[in-house]
Amino acid sequence: NAGVTQTPKFQVLKTGQSMTLQCAQDMNHNSMYWYRQDPGMGLRLIYYSASEGTTDKGEVPNGYNVSRLNKREFSLRLESAAPSQTSVYFCASSDPGQVSSYEQYFGPGTRLTVT
Amino acid sequence: DAKTTQPTSMDCAEGRAANLPCNHSTISGNEYVYWYRQIHSQGPQYIIHGLKNNETNEMASLIITEDRKSSTLILPHATLRDTAVYYCIVRVRPYSSASKIIFGSGTRLSIRP
Repeated sequence: NAGVTQTPKFQVLKTGQSMTLQCAQDMNHNSMYWYRQDPGMGLRLIYYSASEGTTDKGEVPNGYNVSRLNKREFSLRLESAAPSQTSVYFCASSDPGQVSSYEQYFGPGTRLTVT
Repeated sequence: DAKTTQPTSMDCAEGRAANLPCNHSTISGNEYVYWYRQIHSQGPQYIIHGLKNNETNEMASLIITEDRKSSTLILPHATLRDTAVYYCIVRVRPYSSASKIIFGSGTRLSIRP
């Protein structure tokens, strides 16, 4: 199993450009998440999806949109990129139905620079 | 979710036990203590979690005080690969819906040769 995969690994955008970050998981998890991590900081939750067809805002949703395309895929879109969105973006998945334990599995990250 | 307090940084000699403290004095009775770590440039990795009993797995041990106001993550024989930022998180364990993890700043652990 690949776990959680993210594309692209690196991206440079100009201010005002748009792009979509892709995330997929092959663990049949119900829930998926998007975080951003600024240099020297902890992770902050942007959006999450409890299950297919639902999405909810996290701590820092402004400037982003998400789509839960199906159970496997959860994409993050920047409609008009700004330098303040320069960050590393992590996707994660989890399955709250596993009552014996609970953890989130993270992808390798997408490093985004907006100039 | 309860707030946690961790030291900003620590260091430990390779081969020794690394003990990472976490204070969570406002923890509620139904909140668990979780530990994650993030090795440079990688996504966070789950380590261990517990409610009130001490827990051990192949990666680490978790010691929770009797009043549950603090805990310690123990890496029994630290190696250079354990150099990472360690996050202590307190939260309710979810059963039926997605539950957010609120990451703080964590403890930057450096293992010296």
